[in-house]
Amino acid sequence: ETGVTQTPRHLVMGMTNKKSLKCEQHLGHNAMYWYKQSAKKPLELMFVYSLEERVENNSVPSRFSPECPNSSHLFLHLHTLQPEDSALYLCASSRTSGSGTGELFFGEGSRLTVL
Amino acid sequence: QKEVEQNSGPLSVPEGAIASLNCTYSDRGSQSFFWYRQYSGKSPELIMSIYSNGDKEDGRFTAQLNKASQYVSLLIRDSQPSDSATYLCGGLDSSYKLIFGSGTRLLVRP
Repeated sequence: ETGVTQTPRHLVMGMTNKKSLKCEQHLGHNAMYWYKQSAKKPLELMFVYSLEERVENNSVPSRFSPECPNSSHLFLHLHTLQPEDSALYLCASSRTSGSGTGELFFGEGSRLTVL
Repeated sequence: QKEVEQNSGPLSVPEGAIASLNCTYSDRGSQSFFWYRQYSGKSPELIMSIYSNGDKEDGRFTAQLNKASQYVSLLIRDSQPSDSATYLCGGLDSSYKLIFGSGTRLLVRP
């Protein structure tokens, strides 16, 4: 138990569906992240929120839409996805200051399959 | 393009041996480095961080950093089968984004 909880753990969706991934952290951190992990590729940083403001949008297609209503919750809204978007989506949190931003606590991930 | 490079492996070592995992990085502005362990089907977990040149030891793990050579390594002494996992190297770039390598798979043979 890392203190970061993701739901759902598994999601299958068609290309025309709209779904959302949810992340909640109980660590008192002020930064939250979405990473994408595909087979044989490095973890890809998608979005960073620091103090509830989006500070990074790493050239992610607009079919992925993040939302951070407060410092404990993070969502990733999904719509009109493509089969190549199938991957493990990892949420993480950290402190906001200096090197603490490298000490990430990950959730268990949401395994997404797009048909 | 800021990159962190790792050999994908698998690195196979016998139980009790020293496992040596290596990582190079391209961004000279990177100052802090992190090793994460990821078991199959699980999420990454932080095991070591290193911020200055030299060695940092924590139990059976030693992280080494050489900023002049842009090289980071992780040594695991007395390797155990439970150490079998993928090890991810990450470097914090100058804008405090953590850039990961693709990971090295370690297999410790009983």
